Amino acid sequence: EVQLVESGGGVVRPEGSLRLSCAASGFTFDAFAMSWVRQAPGKGLEWVSTINWNGGSRGYVDSVKGRFTISRENAKNSLYLDMTSLRAEDTAFYYCARTLRGTDAFDIWGQGTMVTVSS
Amino acid sequence: DIQMTQSPSSLSASVGDRVTITCRASQTISTSLNWYQQKPGKAPKLLIYAASTLQSGVPSRFSGSGSGTDFTLTISSLQREDFATYYCQQSYSTHTFGQGTKLEIK
Repeated sequence: EVQLVESGGGVVRPEGSLRLSCAASGFTFDAFAMSWVRQAPGKGLEWVSTINWNGGSRGYVDSVKGRFTISRENAKNSLYLDMTSLRAEDTAFYYCARTLRGTDAFDIWGQGTMVTVSS
Repeated sequence: DIQMTQSPSSLSASVGDRVTITCRASQTISTSLNWYQQKPGKAPKLLIYAASTLQSGVPSRFSGSGSGTDFTLTISSLQREDFATYYCQQSYSTHTFGQGTKLEIK
């Protein structure tokens, strides 16, 4: 079964840091780009970051540039998001998503992990 | 940045109705447009990619059309399980989602 499982969410103070992880299974992980998408409570979806298959290309939404870093470890079938200088507006469910080759659609999603930034 | 505008923001319909949701891009995106369905407490689900290609396993009552800046998602005959929030997303230049359309039971 193709599956993505996120972990690492929690409550963190403003200006704090957190690392999210996403464990992939059921498919050839290093054949796909991977992404993070977030959703603030009661709000819509916002793309956060994408990394290509080997980590050689990464993109970020402007609001997280310089604060978040996406990475992957293909040998462990794992995707990461290192978040620093966290702000209240970063509070959201964070989903990892497989990125469909050729179209960049997000075809497989994890269940999400909640990040709450609060003092 | 490319902005995506969906309409309507919410919609009430009955089982069996034909429903259309529109999505407009702030600049041309060719056919780099995807549609997702999200139910409360669940992750989004890809319905249609590249404007009109049905994702595997998605019922054929869902269809998508459009190119350039204007796109539509059509559900030909609403089923109870279709009541959810729908999002469009452009993948032409990074990624941007529309604000969502909440489809509710009338």
